[in-house]
Amino acid sequence: EPEVTQTPSHQVTQMGQEVILRCVPISNHLYFYWYRQILGQKVEFLVSFYNNEISEKSEIFDDQFSVERPDGSNFTLKIRSTKLEDSAMYFCASNEQGRYGYTFGSGTRLTVV
Amino acid sequence: AQSVTQPDIHITVSEGASLELRCNYSYGATPYLFWYVQSPGQGLQLLLKYFSGDTLVQGIKGFEAEFKRSQSSFNLRKPSVHWSDAAEYFCAVGSGGATNKLIFGTGTLLAVQP
Repeated sequence: EPEVTQTPSHQVTQMGQEVILRCVPISNHLYFYWYRQILGQKVEFLVSFYNNEISEKSEIFDDQFSVERPDGSNFTLKIRSTKLEDSAMYFCASNEQGRYGYTFGSGTRLTVV
Repeated sequence: AQSVTQPDIHITVSEGASLELRCNYSYGATPYLFWYVQSPGQGLQLLLKYFSGDTLVQGIKGFEAEFKRSQSSFNLRKPSVHWSDAAEYFCAVGSGGATNKLIFGTGTLLAVQP
């Protein structure tokens, strides 16, 4: 069964550093998403991406965050200057048509120290 | 605004017993509803989804859920729980539109006693 692949599985970074989380969505999917889950809390929507542009973003997704699909296969989330409160599990997801059940990756656990 | 409520934070059942996890949603139109399961340290796996049609939907691993519009509920059920079902379960509603972002509940942590 096709999978969404996320790398790395765990990343530790120092506060103020830039971090890039990488995802390879399912190849024929058109909609891409990032969600995050702070430890012990619910999963929250960050951003959706379609046709090479952001289609929707949440209040969490401020100027410190950006997304990119640099080469037609990878989908990245960049945090420019990490804060302690960015520590969370970040999930990438993709969706063939936008309306139906997503496929989520296994997540990247980001720890900011 | 759309929202999802999972009233039970933690549930413990005995292996072989039946299970029902509750989910209530708030949404103006016909909702797209989902149940996901997350094992420790793992990603989110889709158990089942409801878009329209038959209000009783079957999913993987022997789970089913029933959409009840009058009660704004989408409860997850399993007739006989296995120890491997211990995990966290998330109900979610799709926001609709082209993006269809998911709005998740806070989750129910299921423990299974031998």
